[in-house]
Order: sequence, then C-alpha cells, then structure tokens
Amino acid sequence: DQQVKQNSPSLSVQEGRISILNCDYTNSMFDYFLWYKKYPAEGPTFLISISSIKDKNEDGRFTVFLNKSAKHLSLHIVPSQPGDSAVYFCAASSTSGTYKYIFGTGTRLKVLA
Amino acid sequence: DARVTQTPRHKVTEMGQEVTMRCQPILGHNTVFWYRQTMMQGLELLAYFRNRAPLDDSGMPKDRFSAEMPDATLATLKIQPSEPRDSAVYFCASGFPGGEAFFGQGTRLTVV
Repeated sequence: DQQVKQNSPSLSVQEGRISILNCDYTNSMFDYFLWYKKYPAEGPTFLISISSIKDKNEDGRFTVFLNKSAKHLSLHIVPSQPGDSAVYFCAASSTSGTYKYIFGTGTRLKVLA
Repeated sequence: DARVTQTPRHKVTEMGQEVTMRCQPILGHNTVFWYRQTMMQGLELLAYFRNRAPLDDSGMPKDRFSAEMPDATLATLKIQPSEPRDSAVYFCASGFPGGEAFFGQGTRLTVV
C-alpha cells in the first residue's frame, strides 16, 4: 500500500524552463511534507518542506504547493538548470503521530542544456 | 561538518551470510531511520528509533532483519541470513521530530 505516490518516473525539461514534479498521498493524517533531491551514489539531501497550515512555500528557485483537499503537492523549479538533474523524492509525515517519513518512489528529472 | 556516516559503503556477500551495516548519526540527533532504496518501492522505511528506542520496525522482514541502537552514536542493521532479493542500497538518516532527516551516503549491498 503506497501511501505516497509519484506517478511520473521521469521528466525531461529544457534548461531555463519550469520543471513541475508531482506527488499524491492517501493518508489524511499527513500534515508535513518534504522534498529531497538525490544524485547518483549519494544520499538524499533535503530541499524544501511545507506544513499543512500553508499552501505554498518558496525558497529561491524552488516552490512547493500543497492542495490538501486533493491530497496533492507539487514542486516547481524555475528556471531549471542542468545541475538540477537528479531524482526527486517527496515524503510525508504526521506531526500528531511518530513523525516517521514515508517516501514516494521518486521522479528522475533531466534538464537538457 | 556534521554528517551521518555509514559503513561499509559497499558490501558483496554470498547468500546465507550475515551482513551488518553501521550508522553513526549526527551528534545530538534523537531520531534515526533506516531506509532501503529499490527501483520499485523507492525509499522504503525499514525501522525508526527515537531516543534509541525502536518506534516502528513494521517495514522490516522480521525473520531475517534486525535493527538496534547499542548507544546514541551507533545504529546497526543486520540481515541473517542474507538473500539475493536483499540487494539494494540501505540508507541511514537522523534528525529531530518535525525537522528534516539528514541522510548518510548509503551502503550498497549485493548478495550473490
């Protein structure tokens, strides 16, 4: 039972354009969400997070949007750069529970120069 | 430069052998996670500790996997006996509740 789903295994985007990565979740108890970036042969690194009390959070070129009614979040990268090419994971947790992080299956982003 | 340290980075072993993976969490972090990365499941949570106490190990095959925190500076994940289907990259992460988890570089396990 995959509680956090990333339905697009891969995405290719031209340099300078917007990259949009999507994530869906099924557990209505999730109220804290994170995005991680992973390069080959390295561990995932934290990118940005959002609490369910917000619907948007920005950090430089990265913006995460949360639609609680649809149980959907997305990560926007503008403008996309070749160095953004990596696997992106979304994760979710419940702050009223044990705070364990449930991850999706990842989306491989390729930014074409 | 605080980081999560995992050893070994690579391990090749024969089916049936015991495998032990080690993790040194970032000093002061009270939460430790073990994840396994596979193509089909993405990052799969295996075990989760808070203040060295196991909170959740429901993701682990109980008959062959075990996770412990002998002290605050060491977490271990053991597989006995190992099987080819255990081949994957195993990540340890540490953090505080409500904050991001910091990941180690992983242990790539190959069981032949």
